[in-house]
Amino acid sequence: DAMVIQNPRYQVTQFGKPVTLSCSQTLNHNVMYWYQQKSSQAPKLLFHYYDKDFNNEADTPDNFQSRRPNTSFCFLDIRSPGLGDAAMYLCATSRDRRAEGEQYFGPGTRLTVT
Amino acid sequence: GENVEQHPSTLSVQEGDSAVIKCTYSDSASNYFPWYKQELGKRPQLIIDIRSNVGEKKDQRIAVTLNKTAKHFSLHITETQPEDSAVYFCAAAQAGTALIFGKGTTLSVSS
Repeated sequence: DAMVIQNPRYQVTQFGKPVTLSCSQTLNHNVMYWYQQKSSQAPKLLFHYYDKDFNNEADTPDNFQSRRPNTSFCFLDIRSPGLGDAAMYLCATSRDRRAEGEQYFGPGTRLTVT
Repeated sequence: GENVEQHPSTLSVQEGDSAVIKCTYSDSASNYFPWYKQELGKRPQLIIDIRSNVGEKKDQRIAVTLNKTAKHFSLHITETQPEDSAVYFCAAAQAGTALIFGKGTTLSVSS
């Protein structure tokens, strides 16, 4: 089945220790998104890629970086995780930037910072 | 930029009753309005969406209405069931932009 896959599903890291979360998609969608979702809150967009065109949200901390080496994969790097970065990280895709449309979410990676 | 307000933040109904969740948006250029359902610990999943050239859309027990003039849209769930219990998010977007989500409504359906 075509889908959005996130690895790992659960990640524990130490305060200040860099961590990378990964997302892959078999939908061949042009657009990929990273969201941060804290408990009882809405998903908050961190950044998104239209193909290789990177778009950073104005309030996304510099501590968060992203890479998209090819259409199928996208990575979220947290350079120095703080306790406040503990959250669910959701990857999503959508077909095309020209037309608004459904976003398909992956299952998420729950990040714990100790 | 776009801002989406969602009300109520929590909603409790009895099984079989109807539930209504309302959202308002600020950017008149927004033209796509999806609703996502998120069960505890799971990913958000699209349940229904509407585009600005349509005033109402229905899918079995779920319907969405859109008032472009007033810039608000609503989710209606009829004959609620316990499995409808979840957090519901509305969102708004226009072509070429990412979704802006409301803060969510926690719906509890008691049997």
